[in-house]
Amino acid sequence: DIQMTQSPSSLSASVGDRVIITCRASQNIGTYLHWYQQKPGRAPNLLIYGVSKLKSGVPSRFSGSGSGTDFTLTISSLQPEDFATYYCQQSHTAGTFGQGTKVEMK
Amino acid sequence: QITLKESGPTLVKPTQTLTLTCSFSGSSLSTSGVGVGWIRQPPGKPLEWLALIFWDDDRRYSPSLKGRLTITKDSSKNQVVLTMTNMAPEDTATYYCALNVDPGIALLEAFDVWGQGTMVTVSS
Repeated sequence: DIQMTQSPSSLSASVGDRVIITCRASQNIGTYLHWYQQKPGRAPNLLIYGVSKLKSGVPSRFSGSGSGTDFTLTISSLQPEDFATYYCQQSHTAGTFGQGTKVEMK
Repeated sequence: QITLKESGPTLVKPTQTLTLTCSFSGSSLSTSGVGVGWIRQPPGKPLEWLALIFWDDDRRYSPSLKGRLTITKDSSKNQVVLTMTNMAPEDTATYYCALNVDPGIALLEAFDVWGQGTMVTVSS
């Protein structure tokens, strides 16, 4: 099984802050790495796929980078609607989600 | 507009088999590259990837649950069915189905359209 480890598990930030979330895979997953946002009581929403490709309609303040086993999601300037939980997911071998990073208001 | 809806029992007893159906419109499982997957989320816990089936009947399963899961499709009805055997209380979760439609997204097997989820409780 491929394990996905996200850090931090939670963070406190203010509107306008730059936020960085990391995700590490237990083995090389190439570009099969995606990021989702989930708000309470809602289904997840795809933000970025293939490491760095922004899904149509997703604001450009979201970006992704990395390769192999280490990946990051960056929110360049946190907005009020961005307080949520973020998950990485690998699809190199079946699929696995990270344990999530909750972004809370400071 | 693409919509997905999960349906199935809200309550199952331990050791029973769960059968969930994902019905969708606005896309087709006969279209090359399209895939439909199942993901679950226990209350207050992270997402867990379960299974995925493609237009050509290629299937993927979570290694940790592989022996308990079966995913099938009926392309004529635009439905995907997930069965999970030997249910236990720890299988209590919201079960989501999700679709990959955009060709670039489908190629990388991410999920760009999600259903609202259905809550399943396992209890005697």
